[in-house]
Amino acid sequence: DAGVIQSPRHEVTEMGQEVTLRCKPISGHDYLFWYRQTMMRGLELLIYFNNNVPIDDSGMPEDRFSAKMPNASFSTLKIQPSEPRDSAVYFCASSKGGGELFFGEGSRLTVL
Amino acid sequence: AQKVTQAQTEISVVEKEDVTLDCVYETRDTTYYLFWYKQPPSGELVFLIRRNSFDEQNEISGRYSWNFQKSTSSFNFTITASQVVDSAVYFCALSEERSSNTGKLIFGQGTTLQVKP
Repeated sequence: DAGVIQSPRHEVTEMGQEVTLRCKPISGHDYLFWYRQTMMRGLELLIYFNNNVPIDDSGMPEDRFSAKMPNASFSTLKIQPSEPRDSAVYFCASSKGGGELFFGEGSRLTVL
Repeated sequence: AQKVTQAQTEISVVEKEDVTLDCVYETRDTTYYLFWYKQPPSGELVFLIRRNSFDEQNEISGRYSWNFQKSTSSFNFTITASQVVDSAVYFCALSEERSSNTGKLIFGQGTTLQVKP
């Protein structure tokens, strides 16, 4: 089975531009998570979905961030407008519940 | 407040040495779950183990073992006879009861393990 697939793997953009990160979870998984990893703050949960419905978005930094899950096989995380402090590795993970998360390889975002 | 502390930022050992990665957690819940994840150089995090707060039995899986002690709020991870392929960042994580089914995890800062040949 394919694992969690994220795209793009690397993104370099300029401040003010819109960034869209994409994720395809493992088929059959009911939960989808977006995490952000930085040196300063470590791994932070941004938002998670259960059966395509956003359950907890308390980790989303501010209104510039938004996430959607239009169907069970696709999710996006959008940053508009992007800022240099958004530079990080963004991970998507999926699970059947219980804490065993399956992570994608991450999308490394650099905002200049 | 829930918190996970991995005091060791980096550890370097020579192949075949045993190494223990420390994890101390804080939670007010009586029911909670603890995890270890491995992040190899390729980047994705890989699940290693999940323990619940009522099961203090030590766990062994090949060269990996875990020691859970509620009295000291610790969940330490030992690699026996380390190998170069064990080089990675290791994360300890906590999930409280109300989050247990969802997998909403609080991660520690991670310990970078370097195993030299």
